[in-house]
Amino acid sequence: DIVMTQSPDSLAVSLGERATINCRSSQSVLYSSNNKNYLAWYQQKPGQPPKLLISWASTRESGVPDRFSGSGSGTDFTLTISSLQAEDVAVYYCQQYYSSPLTFGGGTKVEIK
Amino acid sequence: EVQLVESGGGLVQPGGSLRLSCAASGFTFSSYSMNWVRQAPGKGLEWVSYSSGSSSNIYYADSVKGRFTLSRDNAKNSLHLQMNSLRDEDTAVYYCARATVTGVGRGYFDLWGRGTLVTVSS
Repeated sequence: DIVMTQSPDSLAVSLGERATINCRSSQSVLYSSNNKNYLAWYQQKPGQPPKLLISWASTRESGVPDRFSGSGSGTDFTLTISSLQAEDVAVYYCQQYYSSPLTFGGGTKVEIK
Repeated sequence: EVQLVESGGGLVQPGGSLRLSCAASGFTFSSYSMNWVRQAPGKGLEWVSYSSGSSSNIYYADSVKGRFTLSRDNAKNSLHLQMNSLRDEDTAVYYCARATVTGVGRGYFDLWGRGTLVTVSS
């Protein structure tokens, strides 16, 4: 199984400041035949189901604010919130879909400082 | 409206059974692979089971293999999870999730229901 490790477990950021979340996979999730990274990011607000933010490591879903961006390749990935807003308080998860079983990172809780 | 609505959760004793259902609407259900993903209280997300659109491919996490059975009724736009021999560690919110498929048994989850809580306790 591919193990997904997120860091930090939590972070507190001032409004308008940048938040950076890291995700590392135990093996590469880059598929060489199409040069795509099989990695997604989700946002889960309290009491709500997860919401897909980003697929293919860097493709934002329709309607997701452009302050959210994904980057990275192979085994190391980053979700960046460029200017934190109050509504961004949530837990963020990465997920690999390179191989079965599908696995998630442990989550990163983002709070306002 | 495109949505998934889960039902069937509740309190069950260890060793008992429960059947979860997911009602889909607003999209062509048979064209999509469907999954169950669970979240234990205060914990992260764990994929549980996957069904291709035609049910020709069904997969389970090792933690539930042999105890849970996934089925779907495309005529009724519904997904079901029969859970037998339930254990304390199966306590979780169970989410029904639609997948954008990227390979057999693989994909990311682009639509989620609100979940149904299963509590296994004596």
